[in-house]
Amino acid sequence: KAGVTQTPRYLIKTRGQQVTLSCSPISGHRSVSWYQQTPGQGLQFLFEYFSETQRNKGNFPGRFSGRQFSNSRSEMNVSTLELGDSALYLCASRSSPGGGQPQHFGDGTRLSIL
Amino acid sequence: AQKITQTQPGMFVQEKEAVTLDCTYDTSDQSYGLFWYKQPSSGEMIFLIYQGSYDEQNATEGRYSLNFQKARKSANLVISASQLGDSAMYFCAMSPLKYGNKLVFGAGTILRVKS
Repeated sequence: KAGVTQTPRYLIKTRGQQVTLSCSPISGHRSVSWYQQTPGQGLQFLFEYFSETQRNKGNFPGRFSGRQFSNSRSEMNVSTLELGDSALYLCASRSSPGGGQPQHFGDGTRLSIL
Repeated sequence: AQKITQTQPGMFVQEKEAVTLDCTYDTSDQSYGLFWYKQPSSGEMIFLIYQGSYDEQNATEGRYSLNFQKARKSANLVISASQLGDSAMYFCAMSPLKYGNKLVFGAGTILRVKS
């Protein structure tokens, strides 16, 4: 069974640009979450989607947005990039939200802002 | 709000020995889950083990076991018979067992296994 796939693996952007990251969950998983990992702030929750609806959102500015498609694939968009957005962005999936089901993570997209 | 505390920034262990990574948590939820993840230098997060707050027995998964002490709000990870491939960052995380929950992570512990 294929794992969570994130594309691209690496991305370099400049301040003010926007970026879109993609995540394909494990087959059959309908819940997708996004996390940002930085050396200073650690791992922080961005948002979770289930059945194309955002179910939960972390404490991030409106520049960070996401969506989920009918096939459960998800995209995350960051507009007007800032230097502080440089991070590893991790996507995780599970069959449904809630309960004790573990989230399974992808390899991440490493975003660098110049 | 939930909070996870991992007090050991780094740990060393000799190959084939056991090691315990500490994790304490704080939450007002009665029903919650505790998770441990491993992150090698390549970046991917690997799920290791899960413990539910109502589970009476400590969880075990191969060489990993979770020492759950609910009254102390601790959920320590025990790795038995350490291997060189166990060298990685380890994160403790928790989430309430309700719909639309999110994982809250600790700061992590870097484990180095010596040969």
